[in-house]
This record gives sequence, structure tokens and C-alpha cells, in this order.
Amino acid sequence: GESVGLHLPTLSVQEGDNSIINCAYSNSASDYFIWYKQESGKGPQFIIDIRSNMDKRQGQRVTVLLNKTVKHLSLQIAATQPGDSAVYFCAETPSGSARQLTFGSGTQLTVLP
Amino acid sequence: DGGITQSPKYLFRKEGQNVTLSCEQNLNHDAMYWYRQDPGQGLRLIYYSQIVNDFQKGDIAEGYSVSREKKESFPLTVTSAQKNPTAFYLCASSHLAGGKETQYFGPGTRLLVL
Repeated sequence: GESVGLHLPTLSVQEGDNSIINCAYSNSASDYFIWYKQESGKGPQFIIDIRSNMDKRQGQRVTVLLNKTVKHLSLQIAATQPGDSAVYFCAETPSGSARQLTFGSGTQLTVLP
Repeated sequence: DGGITQSPKYLFRKEGQNVTLSCEQNLNHDAMYWYRQDPGQGLRLIYYSQIVNDFQKGDIAEGYSVSREKKESFPLTVTSAQKNPTAFYLCASSHLAGGKETQYFGPGTRLLVL
């Protein structure tokens, strides 16, 4: 069936370095993508989203890149800080409606001092 | 202060007992959702509601029930038929804006079986 998956379950980076978290999706009909951050014991927090008519979108210290050709999504975090340590999920929906949102299993980002 | 609240933060269930998890939102969102999260896994959809007095089953609805009598509230009951209820339960809400519909999450309820 259709799935959203992540290349790496864990990622460790030095404080101040840039982080890149990857996500592959298999549903070619997906046209809306979201990245969430989840700290331990808390609910997921919206970070950034992107529609399929865009290749790149930037927020504060975060950038999402979408490659529809290979069905790949990435989240880049600039100057990673200790507070960025969390699990990051990508999610996608084929219709632009969140009511069919499919989540990946997540990548644990650990920021080393 | 707008947002989504869930209570309690921790809930203990005895064998054969039904328990109800609360979810309230003051964001004026039409749609609300319940997800289950198990350790090291993504979110799985239990139920969702697009409008008051209407709801649909998600991927893992067996052993759960919901109601949507008010726009602001979407309580989830974990029934005794749910044999493995220990998990982290997340409520979310969304509304359509600018052609996008993003889900926003509450802080979660952790359910443990005694």
C-alpha cells in the first residue's frame, strides 16, 4: 500500500551545524506535505508545509525541499540548536485535505554539545 | 489563548473498564481527529469528524468510540473491547484556509493499563 517513510531513524549533529532530515513517499497523487516536530511526551508541533506546485519553501531556520520526480522530501535546519532535539515526522495527503494525512514513523534528531 | 487541550495527561485503565479521553479546541475548527501513537511509530488514525454530529472510522477504530455533539469537543472512549490500549493518544483539529488544511495537535494523553 501507499506509505510515507524516512531514510534514517536517528540523526546526531553537532550544535551549530546544519541538519538534513529526509522522507520518501510513494503516493504519486500526494500534493500537500507537512513537517512536524515532536518533543518527548508532547504532541506534534507544526513546523512547515509545502504544496506540490513548489520545490522549496523557507521558514525561520528551516527549509523544506520537495523533489516530485523521485518522491522525496527533506527538512533542513540551519545552525541546529539543543532545543531542536526531537522526533521529526513528515506527513502527506493526496488531496490537499488533512483528512487523509499519512504520517511517517519519524526521525530522532539529537543535537550534540 | 487559543489551542487544543487534552485531559487527563495520564490515565489508568483497569481490565474490562471503559475510559474516556477529553479533547477540546477553541480554534473554531470544523474537523477533529484522534490518533494513536505507539513507541517508535508514526500516528495512526482512530476516528475523525468533519462536522458536528458526524464522524468516520479511521484505520484502527475497533475498540474505540467517539461523539461530536459540540464543535469544540470530540471525546474518545476506549472500550473494554480494545485489548491493547496502552499508547499515547493525540487529538488534532484542522480547518481549510488558503486551499490548505493543516492539522494542529493537542498535548496528548498517555493511557496505561493496570
